[in-house]
Amino acid sequence: EIVLTQSPTTMAASPGEKVTLTCRASSSVSYMHWYQQRSGASPKLWIYETSKLASGVPNRFSGSGSGTSYSLTINSMETEDAATYYCQQGSSYPPTFGAGTKLELK
Amino acid sequence: QVKLQQSGAELVKPGASVKLSCKTSGYTFSTSYMSWFKQIPGQSIEWIGMIYAGDGGTGYNQKFKGKATLTVDTSSSTAYMDLSSLTTEDSAVYFCARMTGTGASYWFAYWGQGTLVTVSS
Repeated sequence: EIVLTQSPTTMAASPGEKVTLTCRASSSVSYMHWYQQRSGASPKLWIYETSKLASGVPNRFSGSGSGTSYSLTINSMETEDAATYYCQQGSSYPPTFGAGTKLELK
Repeated sequence: QVKLQQSGAELVKPGASVKLSCKTSGYTFSTSYMSWFKQIPGQSIEWIGMIYAGDGGTGYNQKFKGKATLTVDTSSSTAYMDLSSLTTEDSAVYFCARMTGTGASYWFAYWGQGTLVTVSS
């Protein structure tokens, strides 16, 4: 199965700061998808097919990448963005998730 | 709107089985795929398997074969997951989610709220 490695594991960002989370796949995938999860809640689809924002996601978020390297970027960190973000590949069976990046507010 | 409503928390004894449910509304259940996931609090998300509601066809993560059995009831638009021979390692939150995709990739746009399963004597 494809292993997804996310970095950093944890990070803290100040309001207004630009944030980039990365996800590397052990083999090439067609697309990467991202989820936001807050403590005690279910995951929410955040970005799909690498760069498409899910409904309701603010446009300060963006996604990019190809092959084995993908990223999620927040143009300007806001308080509400503090959460854990998971990448997920669905190109190869079985679908797999990264270990997550916990993004905290500094 | 699309809704996935999961059954309530379960406290079960080691060796027992439990059946979780995921009642859906707001979309055509009978032509959709449902997936199930396991998440131990503080850890990542594991895909358990999927079922096509149209014909009950299933696919499982090798790790969960023999542990999980997925079924559906199209008359009530509900998906089920049976977990058998439970051990403390099965204690986790279990989610259902509707699978969407293009053929090139699949993702999960709608999730249930999760069911906490605690295995303890």
